[in-house]
Amino acid sequence: GESVGLHLPTLSVQEGDNSIINCAYSNSASDYFIWYKQESGKGPQFIIDIRSNMDKRQGQRVTVLLNKTVKHLSLQIAATQPGDSAVYFCAESLFYGGSQGNLIFGKGTKLSVKP
Amino acid sequence: ETGVTQSPTHLIKTRGQQVTLRCSSQSGHNTVSWYQQALGQGPQFIFQYYREEENGRGNFPPRFSGLQFPNYSSELNVNALELDDSALYLCASKITGQETQYFGPGTRLLVL
Repeated sequence: GESVGLHLPTLSVQEGDNSIINCAYSNSASDYFIWYKQESGKGPQFIIDIRSNMDKRQGQRVTVLLNKTVKHLSLQIAATQPGDSAVYFCAESLFYGGSQGNLIFGKGTKLSVKP
Repeated sequence: ETGVTQSPTHLIKTRGQQVTLRCSSQSGHNTVSWYQQALGQGPQFIFQYYREEENGRGNFPPRFSGLQFPNYSSELNVNALELDDSALYLCASKITGQETQYFGPGTRLLVL
């Protein structure tokens, strides 16, 4: 759902379960998408990215799915661990003028992992 | 750690003052972007520097300005500080032609 001010959407999962974090992006012309993890008091940390000519990409314990038809992006985390607790942001950008443009961030989802 | 460093880590200023924030990019990264992150929000793009020139800007007023130096490090300057400028200021670097931006830890600015 939408967040207002300080009230981020929150996902609470049990340790060992799989997590799915969803994101709706805004520009149908965006051709690059990226997920970041941000722990309290730290800068965003790169997790995984995907270009618009793909619909799925896998990393270590993470998978990103892209559905361009409905402008939807998801991040799947397998076997979620307490260290995965953080705020997760998706971001989009558009290639123009010979380079990849600035990142446009979503509002973020807070993931809480219960031991 | 990404190799992107920022200073200072925290800063307190009063309304109307000026502030300079600094960023050292990851080794070999020649493009630096600055973002403002208000509490509970996603980062918002301020501007980007490449070859010591601004080559993209978000919806921020001219009192937000920057510099990039020959060693690719960068500064963000904010004049006439307002209370709403209180935020986490993030620097990100990348290699031109590649997509992935790597962020520093940020500078937390509080304007009283």
